[in-house]
Amino acid sequence: NFVLTQPHSVSESPGKTVTISCTRSSGSIASNYVQWYQQRPGSSPTNVIYEDNQRPSGVPERFSGSTDRSSNSASLTISGLKTEDEADYYCQSYTSNNRVFGGGTKLTVL
Amino acid sequence: QLQLQESGPGLVKPSETLSLTCTVSGGSINSGSYFWAWIRQSPGKGLEWIGSISYSESTYYSPSLWSRVTMSVDTSKNQFSLKLTSVTAGDTALYYCAREQQLVSWYFDLWGRGTLVSVSS
Repeated sequence: NFVLTQPHSVSESPGKTVTISCTRSSGSIASNYVQWYQQRPGSSPTNVIYEDNQRPSGVPERFSGSTDRSSNSASLTISGLKTEDEADYYCQSYTSNNRVFGGGTKLTVL
Repeated sequence: QLQLQESGPGLVKPSETLSLTCTVSGGSINSGSYFWAWIRQSPGKGLEWIGSISYSESTYYSPSLWSRVTMSVDTSKNQFSLKLTSVTAGDTALYYCAREQQLVSWYFDLWGRGTLVSVSS
């Protein structure tokens, strides 16, 4: 099984753009789709990106996802940062018999 | 609108069995497009998948927990359940139930609010 590694924390100012990475330890990042979840303090996680780069209905276009085979990683990019984007973000992928979450990244918008 | 609600004891003694139920409302659990999952989050920590089950009781369990996990479905009550045996303090966590999409990618598109379970004597 593989591990998904995320930076522990990132911070950026309102209005700016931030990118959170998610690196797969073994096997190709392209083998299985990557999803992203947002978890605000005291709330349940919500899905913000599925199938690498698809946004569920209701998620702003400011949220986008991508993958990079050369670095074997996925990324979540949030543009036009708002204070309401301050949250923990988790990537997730899977195999036929396992579901793997990254360790989470705390985004501070200051 | 589909909603999920976890229920069960908030306190379990070490070595005993943790039992939780998730009630699905606003829709049927009998859908071939979805699995139904349990995910936990230890205090201040990240998310850990426990297992997933279909309405026909096909199951996938976490490789790290499979020996202690049993999941079941009661379609007449629109509920699914989790049993985790031989619990220790390390099983103290916020337990979420969730709906898992399995059409193209496998991911969790709807989550309950979570229920806190503490393991202590």
